[in-house]
Amino acid sequence: DAKTTQPPSMDCAEGRAANLPCNHSTISGNEYVYWYRQIHSQGPQYIIHGLKNNETNEMASLIITEDRKSSTLILPHATLRDTAVYYCIVRANSGSARQLTFGSGTQLTVLP
Amino acid sequence: GAGVSQSPRYKVAKRGQDVALRCDPISGHVSLFWYQQALGQGPEFLTYFQNEAQLDKSGLPSDRFFAERPEGSVSTLKIQRTQQEDSAVYLCASSLRGGSNQPQHFGDGTRLSIL
Repeated sequence: DAKTTQPPSMDCAEGRAANLPCNHSTISGNEYVYWYRQIHSQGPQYIIHGLKNNETNEMASLIITEDRKSSTLILPHATLRDTAVYYCIVRANSGSARQLTFGSGTQLTVLP
Repeated sequence: GAGVSQSPRYKVAKRGQDVALRCDPISGHVSLFWYQQALGQGPEFLTYFQNEAQLDKSGLPSDRFFAERPEGSVSTLKIQRTQQEDSAVYLCASSLRGGSNQPQHFGDGTRLSIL
């Protein structure tokens, strides 16, 4: 699976959009981009994933650049409860299940 | 709720004791994963089951670690002769089917402390 690079920490004002970047310059054409987050003392929570197209769900939007070498997770209206470590993970497209390889993630702190 | 359930939530054991950690996956989920998370780090893969078959155990750190899923549902991770470096949070995740287009859903883990 391709390696990802994320900033170690970011702050965001409550009510504003949080834009979390991720670089995955070695991604191959059949690898998915996944985002998870982990709130203190809880297990990782699935947010969203995509292959080539931008994706949106009730939690967030995922914007993948045309060359697929980077992506951005957007939380449209951040709340204090969105404070967590956010992990960007690239996962090979395989017919068999594959484990997730977590990096260090981005600590997002939402400020009141 | 209908999420992944892990028990116990916390476990304290003395060095040398055996421990068993339980995972109840989401009903109907075929794939089950175990991860280990050390303090301040991301989770690291231990082992993977598809139904009752253990298809990958490459992440198990030593032969003291053993996992099973005999009926393709509940899974148990057993650690024999525990050592202090086994102290970590052990996370279980399940997904509906195999395939990398299936998100994994995690439990809140068991925090294991070895004294």
